Amino acid sequence: EDQVTQSPEALRLQEGESSSLNCSYTVSGLRGLFWYRQDPGKGPEFLFTLYSAGEEKEKERLKATLTKKESFLHITAPKPEDSATYLCAVQAQHQGAQKLVFGQGTRLTINP
Amino acid sequence: KAGVTQTPRYLIKTRGQQVTLSCSPISGHRSVSWYQQTPGQGLQFLFEYFSETQRNKGNFPGRFSGRQFSNSRSEMNVSTLELGDSALYLCASSYGTSGSGETQYFGPGTRLLVL
Repeated sequence: EDQVTQSPEALRLQEGESSSLNCSYTVSGLRGLFWYRQDPGKGPEFLFTLYSAGEEKEKERLKATLTKKESFLHITAPKPEDSATYLCAVQAQHQGAQKLVFGQGTRLTINP
Repeated sequence: KAGVTQTPRYLIKTRGQQVTLSCSPISGHRSVSWYQQTPGQGLQFLFEYFSETQRNKGNFPGRFSGRQFSNSRSEMNVSTLELGDSALYLCASSYGTSGSGETQYFGPGTRLLVL
């Protein structure tokens, strides 16, 4: 069964304190790994799509990387507005179509 | 380009009633997927529609159903509501033409409360 595990569940950082969020996955044939950001009461906002091991993508203070077993979301010098829940999701070959399997998310809080 | 829109945004129903939620995808997107989000279970896949056909279905009872119209707009219906159906229902759209690996863009969700 496809599984996605995110760690830690919650993370508190001071403004400017860099860190990484982890997403471990077990899937038969990865078609894509997706990172989303979700603010309270809102829908997930797309951040990155990664397709193959070794791939990296960057956007402002965020950088996502992918290996064969896990993905990391690196946050460099975060600001309070980066506070949100970060969701990781995978799409597997055998699932077909557009089904995403999500992790439980990491709730990130950046203190000023 | 307008994003995914969902209506209504909030809904309160009582047990046993039924509810219909609506989703309008991003212009040009033909695939619409529905997800249920609860604090305990997180985000779970309900079903996906492409060109008015259900392409994939998650592990939810038959009380949960959906459909897609020729303009790609989609509706989902939940009949005989139960307390456990209280959740945020999210709709996501993508081009859907490749069959997989495409980015899905989410709407703001419909918050359903069942009393």
